[in-house]
Amino acid sequence: AQSVTQLGSHVSVSEGALVLLRCNYSSSVPPYLFWYVQYPNQGLQLLLKYTSAATLVKGINGFEAEFKKSETSFHLTKPSAHMSDAAEYFCAVSDRLHNQGGKLIFGQGTELSVKP
Amino acid sequence: NAGVTQTPKFQVLKTGQSMTLQCAQDMNHNSMYWYRQDPGMGLRLIYYSASEGTTDKGEVPNGYNVSRLNKREFSLRLESAAPSQTSVYFCASRNPPQGSEQYFGPGTRLTVT
Repeated sequence: AQSVTQLGSHVSVSEGALVLLRCNYSSSVPPYLFWYVQYPNQGLQLLLKYTSAATLVKGINGFEAEFKKSETSFHLTKPSAHMSDAAEYFCAVSDRLHNQGGKLIFGQGTELSVKP
Repeated sequence: NAGVTQTPKFQVLKTGQSMTLQCAQDMNHNSMYWYRQDPGMGLRLIYYSASEGTTDKGEVPNGYNVSRLNKREFSLRLESAAPSQTSVYFCASRNPPQGSEQYFGPGTRLTVT
């Protein structure tokens, strides 16, 4: 069965510092991969997704993620954190082969705090 | 476009009471989903509807029922609420092809006392 693990439930960075949020997946076939962001008391919003094209994916708000098959990872990065980046971030996977209905499996989430 | 809408936004129930959470989307999407979000557990799929007229269980279906009323609407019913169902509930929708993203509603915060 597929699974996804986000390392670190809380990450704190200073404004202007690098943001690195880690996501590893378990799947025999590389799945579709997604990063979503959730601001307080809101729903989830897509940041970026990997389907099968370029392994380096650029998303909204200056975020990007790199798909590394050898490491089964899809880590999210942003070169310079902004106060407005404070939110909870979720990595999710979708089975590429056996997935009627496009179901997603989510990681546990990582809460990002940005210190001034 | 409103996207995905959910009602109500907040609800408090007593143990044993029933209620229905409503979800509607105006994007003409085929597939719709219900998730629950609990601290430290991410989002877990309760039920989904791959297309109008079909529904299937997700990871945590016990204690819930769903109805795909038409292409736009997908409701979630708690027949006899339990404190373990205290959670935030999200509805989502998507269209093919494979790999397309899901669009989420704003959520319903449910407390069962």
